[in-house]
Amino acid sequence: DAKTTQPPSMDCAEGRAANLPCNHSTISGNEYVYWYRQIHSQGPQYIIHGLKNNETNEMASLIITEDRKSSTLILPHATLRDTAVYYCIVRVEFAGNNRKLIWGLGTSLAVNP
Amino acid sequence: NAGVMQNPRHLVRRRGQEARLRCSPMKGHSHVYWYRQLPEEGLKFMVYLQKENIIDESGMPKERFSAEFPKEGPSILRIQQVVRGDSAAYFCASSPRDIYNEQFFGPGTRLTVL
Repeated sequence: DAKTTQPPSMDCAEGRAANLPCNHSTISGNEYVYWYRQIHSQGPQYIIHGLKNNETNEMASLIITEDRKSSTLILPHATLRDTAVYYCIVRVEFAGNNRKLIWGLGTSLAVNP
Repeated sequence: NAGVMQNPRHLVRRRGQEARLRCSPMKGHSHVYWYRQLPEEGLKFMVYLQKENIIDESGMPKERFSAEFPKEGPSILRIQQVVRGDSAAYFCASSPRDIYNEQFFGPGTRLTVL
C-alpha cells in the first residue's frame, strides 16, 4: 500500500510556480521521499529526493516539513512541458538491507497557457 | 550513453500464449527493477534483480511470472499463459547501485492480451 497521499489533479498557469503537496504521515525516520513524474505514459523521470533537509536541483525544489509528515515539490516556473503526473514516493527499508519505492496514484498537473 | 532500452515497445498476445519482455539497463548499471502499470494507476513494484540474483520478488504474482537478469544479456520478464488481466504497461528501471540512487526508467512495453 502507498505511504503517500496526493491530490488527484492540479492546475497551474504557465510561468507561475507549481506547488505540489504530499502527505506521508506514517513515514519512518530513515525513509526518503522521492519525486518522479510521468509524461503521457512515457517511462517515469526522476526529479528529486530528500530525507530531512530541503533540496534543490535544476528541475525543482523539495520542501520537507520539520516533522517529515508532509512535503511540497516546487516547480519554480512551470512550462507547458511540465504537464505530467507527479508521483510522491516513499523509499521503504526491508529486512536484509533491501529498499523499495512505494508508488501512489500521483497528481495530474495541467499547466495552462 | 544510451538510456534504458526495452523491447518490444508493444506486444500483442492471445490468451494462453507466453510473453517475453526484455530490458537492457544503462551501461554500468547492475541493478534492475520491473514495474507494472494498469491504466489510470500508479506503478506497482514487481521484482528487483542484480546480475544473476533476485533480490526482492515480493511484487511478483506467485504463478506464471518469472524474471531473470543473467550475467550476459538483458533482463527478461516472462509471463506464461497470459490472461486478459495481464494487459498493462511494464516498465523496467536500472540504477548503478542499490535503490539509494535514482532509478532510470525505460520507455515501457505495452502488453495487450486478446
